[in-house]
Amino acid sequence: QVQLVESGGGLVKPGGSLRLSCAASGFTFSDSYMSWIRQAPGKGLECISYISSSSSTKYNADSVKGRFTISRDNAKNSLFLQMNTLRAEDTAVYYCATVKWELGVRFEYWGQGALVTVSS
Amino acid sequence: SSELTQDPAVSVALGQTVRITCQGDSLRSYYASWYQQKPGQAPVLVIYGTNKRPSGIPDRFSGSSSGNTPSLTITGAQAEDEADYYCNSRDSSGNHVVFGGGTKLTVL
Repeated sequence: QVQLVESGGGLVKPGGSLRLSCAASGFTFSDSYMSWIRQAPGKGLECISYISSSSSTKYNADSVKGRFTISRDNAKNSLFLQMNTLRAEDTAVYYCATVKWELGVRFEYWGQGALVTVSS
Repeated sequence: SSELTQDPAVSVALGQTVRITCQGDSLRSYYASWYQQKPGQAPVLVIYGTNKRPSGIPDRFSGSSSGNTPSLTITGAQAEDEADYYCNSRDSSGNHVVFGGGTKLTVL
């Protein structure tokens, strides 16, 4: 079955950096668009970044542009999010999810989430 | 702010039918998907392509659309359906993703 397991979350000071990882299994990772979606405490869902199967297409939301970088390693079935210059407003649970761009767009499979807390 | 608008909260009596709606200009052109999220858990896709149900999702969940207003309907709501529900679709450019602000469903 499909499994997505995030790691790398934690407590970091404002201005600091963190790298999230997502280990994928149970599907053909190298054929799949992948994304990072975050949810601030008590708030809704925000798709902050996605990447095509070959890494040729990458998107970052305005809220993280210039600070966060999405990448992937198809040989290791892994997705990454490098987060730099972190701010208090980046505090959230970060989910990795598969993306399908058919019939609109949908996030079929989600990880359990990684909590990132930005605080001094 | 979201480009998709949802009612913040809806309630339904146990066993009754409830409809949750999503509004947005991009929905004239693109299908909607719906997610269920229970406290402390990751979202789960329950409807995509406006009215398609992934395997494993109970058939009491259905989707439909009228104009640019897709709906998620739960027929015979159960206590375990109490959750937050989010819609999503492409944005007006078609190139990116938007989520609605979410609807908190209470089953009375």
